[in-house]
Amino acid sequence: AQSVTQLGSHVSVSEGALVLLRCNYSSSVPPYLFWYVQYPNQGLQLLLKYTSAATLVKGINGFEAEFKKSETSFHLTKPSAHMSDAAEYFCAVISGGYQKVTFGTGTKLQVIP
Amino acid sequence: IAGITQAPTSQILAAGRRMTLRCTQDMRHNAMYWYRQDLGLGLRLIHYSNTAGTTGKGEVPDGYSVSRANTDDFPLTLASAVPSQTSVYFCASGKQGAQAGELFFGEGSRLTVL
Repeated sequence: AQSVTQLGSHVSVSEGALVLLRCNYSSSVPPYLFWYVQYPNQGLQLLLKYTSAATLVKGINGFEAEFKKSETSFHLTKPSAHMSDAAEYFCAVISGGYQKVTFGTGTKLQVIP
Repeated sequence: IAGITQAPTSQILAAGRRMTLRCTQDMRHNAMYWYRQDLGLGLRLIHYSNTAGTTGKGEVPDGYSVSRANTDDFPLTLASAVPSQTSVYFCASGKQGAQAGELFFGEGSRLTVL
């Protein structure tokens, strides 16, 4: 079964600094990969999605992610963190013949003023 | 506003009791999912349904059952609740094909089993 691993359960950055959240996938074939964001006491929202059309994927709120097959990675980045980016971020992959969406364990982003 | 509605938002339940968490969507999505979210474990898939009339087991299906009588509703039942089922439960829906994996989530149901 395909899976994703998120490195770092907590990441702290200063406001205005680069955000880098790490995700590695395990898959024998090019997967569909996703990043979701969860704000406190809310459900998850889709940030962006990779489907092999382009290796650099741009999402909402200035986030982007780059698919690197050689590194089996799909890290999420944002050039300049904003206080409103404080949330938990989940990497996800489709498995089971496109029937199941499997999530990583999440990375909580703290933005320090 | 279109989306997913979950009920109840919060519930405290005695162990051994039966509980049904309700989930309704108005987006006519074929696929629906139930996840539980626990600290340090992320979201784990309990059950899913690709279309009305069909369901499948996820990673952690034991102690839970689902039904999909129609497109809009996907209730999750705990037949006899145990404390380890204390969690936040999220229902989600989505399309298939090229938009597979683009899920819409409800606000969650926080369940405490004592």
